[in-house]
Amino acid sequence: NAGVTQTPKFRILKIGQSMTLQCTQDMNHNYMYWYRQDPGMGLKLIYYSVGAGITDKGEVPNGYNVSRSTTEDFPLRLELAAPSQTSVYFCASSAATGTPGETQYFGPGTRLLVL
Amino acid sequence: AQKITQTQPGMFVQEKEAVTLDCTYDTSDPSYGLFWYKQPSSGEMIFLIYQGSYDQQNATEGRYSLNFQKARKSANLVISASQLGDSAMYFCAMRSYNNNDMRFGAGTRLTVKP
Repeated sequence: NAGVTQTPKFRILKIGQSMTLQCTQDMNHNYMYWYRQDPGMGLKLIYYSVGAGITDKGEVPNGYNVSRSTTEDFPLRLELAAPSQTSVYFCASSAATGTPGETQYFGPGTRLLVL
Repeated sequence: AQKITQTQPGMFVQEKEAVTLDCTYDTSDPSYGLFWYKQPSSGEMIFLIYQGSYDQQNATEGRYSLNFQKARKSANLVISASQLGDSAMYFCAMRSYNNNDMRFGAGTRLTVKP
């Protein structure tokens, strides 16, 4: 049981390049999330999904896209990388218990540097 | 809109002593949950404790307890008998029942002195 896994661990992008951050969970969780954490700050929600085929915007969705074709995978796509997207990206998942207390389990993070 | 405020950028505590990390929140939703996460220097996010808005008693998990004062909209984390391994960033977060948007505070860096 690996929990939430993310690849790559670290990536350097040039301005304007595209990339996909991968996230996979093996806990059969319906809910999945993408956050970004800027230096010295808390996490901000980018996108989330409540199940396969269903996604919705979070607090800071601009510049990102997501898809959810399976329960396990929730990739995050950056189409035109900008320096403002330099951050650490965390993927998380939680079971759909219908209560505010659903614990989110986080992946180890992907550190992205856009130059 | 939901908002989480952590006013202590950094805190120091002597090993084996207790420490309180402050968290205040703002929401108009009647049903919500409050969370604390620990982020050590390695970067992973570790869930510590949860408090529901309708819970009658303060949550406890081992050495962690949550001092929940609903009228004051505060949810302070108390760590008893601090250990060197408690040195980390600590984040308070909130999620309302009708919203999947989890909001995090800016965090407090705790340093435990030997």
